[in-house]
This record gives sequence, C-alpha cells and structure tokens, in this order.
Amino acid sequence: NAGVTQTPKFQVLKTGQSMTLQCAQDMNHNSMYWYRQDPGMGLRLIYYSASEGTTDKGEVPNGYNVSRLNKREFSLRLESAAPSQTSVYFCANGVGGDTQYFGPGTRLTVL
Amino acid sequence: LAKTTQPISMDSYEGQEVNITCSHNNIATNDYITWYQQFPSQGPRFIIQGYKTKVTNEVASLFIPADRKSSTLSLPRVSLSDTAVYYCLVGDKGTGFQKLVFGTGTRLLVSP
Repeated sequence: NAGVTQTPKFQVLKTGQSMTLQCAQDMNHNSMYWYRQDPGMGLRLIYYSASEGTTDKGEVPNGYNVSRLNKREFSLRLESAAPSQTSVYFCANGVGGDTQYFGPGTRLTVL
Repeated sequence: LAKTTQPISMDSYEGQEVNITCSHNNIATNDYITWYQQFPSQGPRFIIQGYKTKVTNEVASLFIPADRKSSTLSLPRVSLSDTAVYYCLVGDKGTGFQKLVFGTGTRLLVSP
C-alpha cells in the first residue's frame, strides 16, 4: 500500500499561472486534508473534506479551491498563483480526525 | 481546540533520554493528547496518543499527570535519527472528525 501519494513532488510556477496538486489515498479513509507549511513554521490547514462529496475551508483557504473527486482523491487548485503561495503542500487522510496520515509533500515555488 | 505550548527547540546527545513537555491548560474532558514527529522534507507522522497516566509504544512514552494540563513525551536513548520536529496536539477524539491545529512544534537536535 502506498498510503497517501501526491503529485507532483516539485513545481515552479510564474505569478498568475494555475495548477492542480493531486492527492490520492489507498487507505479507504473518509477524511482528507490539505495543509501548507512555510519554512520554519508549523502546518496550516487550507481545506478539508470530512467525507466524499463534502469540502470545507480551513485556516488559510484564500487563493485555493479543492475537489473531492471520490473517496480516494482530493485535489487542490491554485487558480492564479502568487509568490505568497510558495510553500510545501501536504495532503493527509484520517479516520475521524485525531490520527492523520500524511503524504510526502509537494514543494511549490512561485516566481 | 485546546491551545498547546511547547519549547521551541531542544538539544541532546546520542544515548540520552529526551523529555519534551507540552502545556495544555484548557484541555477539555473529552480531549486526547497526540504527538506527531516530522523529519526534514517529510510529512508529520503519528507517534503516540494518550488520555491519562502513561502510554508506551515501541517509539516513545507519554506521561500525563492527573490534572491533564500538561503532558511529557519521552524518547529513550535517542539517536541521530530522532532529530526532528515534534508536535503536541490536543483534541476531542470522540466527535469523530476534527481539524488538527499544528503549532510550531519542538525542534529536537541530537548530536553525536
């Protein structure tokens, strides 16, 4: 089992470009999450999905959209990338909420 | 979610026992205490969870006093590979779903 997979691993964008970060899980968990982590900081929740078909905003949702395509997949979209969105993005899943399993991360640089 | 306070950083040497304390004065009756570990360039990893007294697994021990206003993560005989950031989180396991709040964590550096 791969657990939680994320693509791509690295990405460089120019300001204003758009892109979608993909996340997939093979753990059959209901909940999925997107976090960002800036250098030297903790993780901040962007969006989450408690179950298939539902999504909700987290702490820092501005500039992002998400899609819970099915139980396995939860994508994060940047419509118009800004330098402030340079960060490492982590996808996670969980049963309930207190124990989460994280993917390897996507390192995004916006120039 | 209850707010937690941890030291920003700690230093240790290989073979020593490391204790990281987390304060959570506003912990609620149904809250559990969970610790995550994050290695550089990786996502956080669940290491231990407890409600009261002591919990031990193959990685660490978690000590929780009777008033539950603090908890201590104990790492026995650390090695260089234990260098990581450790996060303490508090939340209600019983509600089924919740949003985790990661603070800045404690950065542990283990030296030879």
